[in-house]
Amino acid sequence: SQELEQSPQSLIVQEGKNLTINCTSSKTLYGLYWYKQKYGEGLIFLMMLQKGGEEKSHEKITAKLDEKKQQSSLHITASQPSHAGIYLCGADLSGGYQKVTFGTGTKLQVIP
Amino acid sequence: GAVVSQHPSRVICKSGTSVKIECRSLDFQATTMFWYRQFPKKSLMLMATSNEGSKATYEQGVEKDKFLINHASLTLSTLTVTSAHPEDSSFYICSAPGLTKETQYFGPGTRLLVL
Repeated sequence: SQELEQSPQSLIVQEGKNLTINCTSSKTLYGLYWYKQKYGEGLIFLMMLQKGGEEKSHEKITAKLDEKKQQSSLHITASQPSHAGIYLCGADLSGGYQKVTFGTGTKLQVIP
Repeated sequence: GAVVSQHPSRVICKSGTSVKIECRSLDFQATTMFWYRQFPKKSLMLMATSNEGSKATYEQGVEKDKFLINHASLTLSTLTVTSAHPEDSSFYICSAPGLTKETQYFGPGTRLLVL
């Protein structure tokens, strides 16, 4: 079974709408990363969360890590076509040094 | 900022041949690098941890003799796909950690197509 589950698997939203992507694990997340990717291209680092209850924002994207450190959400406000792509959560499940296990991915399409 | 490069960016080869993919840290040293594989419309799967000066650590289910990893210097790790078959066609990405846990640098990826 997948150690990191993302939901939804795909999402189509109208430009200007808000959206949320979730990332859930049955294990403790020692570090939780959010990345964006266009398939066939490299990864773009968005944010990294470590502490339970932590929340970070960058431009119109906000990421949160729950108190138990087993679930994270990525929220995009007023989506734009430039937000389209594949969003991946990744986590250090081993407690080691940046050995990242990735989630199942969420494909986002933003309709102008 | 720190950059990780990969070469080649794309490669097409015949079945049965071997292909080498390079991963370089351009302005920092990396004693550890990670190799990932991504199938179409799928997430990234960690294949192995490349350790400078010692053997790579492979994830469960990854064939060591199929995917040879060499970390010969503090700035270079290579992944060689030996006797490639069409099912090895994939997108391969390497990464290298920076000095802090916040910093994880990914290469741009290499698309391999085996005919």
